[in-house]
Amino acid sequence: DIQMTQSPSSLSASVGDRVTITCRASQSISSYLNWYQQKPGKAPKLLIYAASSLQSGVPSRFSGSGSGTDFTLTISSLQPEDFATYYCQQSYSTLIFTFGPGTKVDIK
Amino acid sequence: EVQLVESGGGLVQPGGSLRLSCAASGFTFSSYAMSWVRQAPGKGLEWVSAISGSGGSTYYADSVKGRFTISRDNSKNTLYLQMNSLRAEDTAVYYCAKIVHPGYYYYYMDVWGKGTTVTVSS
Repeated sequence: DIQMTQSPSSLSASVGDRVTITCRASQSISSYLNWYQQKPGKAPKLLIYAASSLQSGVPSRFSGSGSGTDFTLTISSLQPEDFATYYCQQSYSTLIFTFGPGTKVDIK
Repeated sequence: EVQLVESGGGLVQPGGSLRLSCAASGFTFSSYAMSWVRQAPGKGLEWVSAISGSGGSTYYADSVKGRFTISRDNSKNTLYLQMNSLRAEDTAVYYCAKIVHPGYYYYYMDVWGKGTTVTVSS
């Protein structure tokens, strides 16, 4: 089974900061990697698919990169509405998924 | 508007059963694979199960294999999750999600429901 890790598990940042979250897979998953944002009490929201493709309607301050085993989600200038938990997800096998443990971004 | 609405959650005793439903609207339901994802209180997201658009192929996490059954009724635009032999660790919010598959192993969940809560306790 493919395992996913994320770092850091949490971070504190200020509005306007550049934030980078890392996701690592236990084996190569090419670019079969998605990123989701979840706010408390709400359903997850798709941000990035296929490692670097921005989902329609998602602000351009969000970007994704990486391939193989190492991936990053970057928020270029953190906004108040971006304080949330972020999850990576791999889809290397047909309709079998694994989520990372999440990274909580809160206000410094 | 594309929408997913889960129902069927509730309080059930350990060893009991529950069937969740997810009503879909706003898209051609039979053209998309669907999935269930759960979140235990204070924990992260856990993928539970997925089913192809036709319903002919199903997939499960090891934690629920043999106890949960995913199915769909394309004539009713509804996804189901039959949960048997429930355990305390199955307590979670259960979300249904629509899966987009543009090709190869590119799969992603672009629409989610608001979730339904399952509590397993005596």
